[in-house]
Formats: sequence, C-alpha cells, structure tokens
Amino acid sequence: KAGVTQTPRYLIKTRGQQVTLSCSPISGHRSVSWYQQTPGQGLQFLFEYFSETQRNKGNFPGRFSGRQFSNSRSEMNVSTLELGDSALYLCASSRQGDPTGELFFGEGSRLTVL
Amino acid sequence: AQSVTQPDIHITVSEGASLELRCNYSYGATPYLFWYVQSPGQGLQLLLKYFSGDTLVQGIKGFEAEFKRSQSSFNLRKPSVHWSDAAEYFCAVGDVLTGGGNKLTFGTGTQLKVEL
Repeated sequence: KAGVTQTPRYLIKTRGQQVTLSCSPISGHRSVSWYQQTPGQGLQFLFEYFSETQRNKGNFPGRFSGRQFSNSRSEMNVSTLELGDSALYLCASSRQGDPTGELFFGEGSRLTVL
Repeated sequence: AQSVTQPDIHITVSEGASLELRCNYSYGATPYLFWYVQSPGQGLQLLLKYFSGDTLVQGIKGFEAEFKRSQSSFNLRKPSVHWSDAAEYFCAVGDVLTGGGNKLTFGTGTQLKVEL
C-alpha cells in the first residue's frame, strides 16, 4: 500500500513569507502528526490531528498551524517565516494515534528560509 | 517531562562487527519505547518497539533491543553490521497525552558509519 506522501519535497522561501505543506497519510489512518527536524533542536513534535481535530500541540509559536480534512489529509502552515524555521518537516500517520501504534513517517518537506 | 538521551553522537564500526547503540530515558511510568532509523534524505522507519512483556524485543533488519528498567535503558544491538546499516538511529519514548493520541520524544540521534 502507498506510504505517507508529503509535498513539496523541497522548497525555498524568504523571510516574512508563508508556506503550506501537505501530507497524505496511509489509507485508513486517521491520525496525522507533524514533527520539525533541525540539526540544533533535533526532532520536535509540532501537533497531531485526529478526525479533523487538533488533539495535541507542541511548544511552537502560533505562526505554526495546521488542519486536517475529512479524508485525513493534513496541511501545516507557517506564517511570517523566520530563518530558524529552516528545517525538515516530517509528517507521520497512524491508524488511531494511540501510543502503542506505529508511526509511519513520510520523507519530509525540506524548507529553506533565506 | 520525559526525555531521551543518546550519549553517542557518532559511532564507527567495521562491517561484520557487532553494534550496540545506547539509549537512556526518563519517564514517570512504564514507557513505550521505540527505535527508528533514518537514511539520508529519507523519513524515519521503525526498527522495533517495546510496550510490555519480554524485555528483549526483536525488530526488522536483524536488530534487537533490551529494556532494562533498573538502568532506564533501551539499547539497540545487532550482532553483525552490514554496510547498508549506515544511517542515523533515533531512540524515542511515547507519551500518552491528556487528549488522547500519542507524541514521541526523540533522542538526538546516533550517526552510524560502517567501514568496509
């Protein structure tokens, strides 16, 4: 079956712009989580969506937001981009989102902010 | 708050040699523990997980890990490393959140280099 698909894979933006990243989970998976990966901070949890509702949120400013659609596809948005937002953004899906379930990760969207 | 420590940032082993990657966690209850691997330019792939029961768990690609509660450790092992194992390895602890769902707290990763 198809894995988690993230688009775009690479993008370059300038400070002050906004960006939208997309994630299509594995068919049948209802939970989608987003993680930010940077060399300095490592992998950090952004938020998790389940059945179109944001269920959990990490410690990121309000510039980071997301949503989930009825088909479980998810988008995350970063507004007013800063240089420090340059990172690999990883999306992960799971069937129900419980901690005993395996997270399936996409290949990520690499954002560069100039 | 939970935390995960991977004390080795880089490890180099010869192909065919054994491997052990260290992971220590801090968590108030019985932890859900995971090892993920990330190849360059790729996402993370789950190697194995521990929730309860037998403290020695087997994973994919010949990896295993042992949960030691007394040492708060969950070290990853492989008896004979292959060149294709070169990648970055992440230990993670899962957290049951108030609103339901899960969140993983990752260690900083161990970069494995395999010498031929």
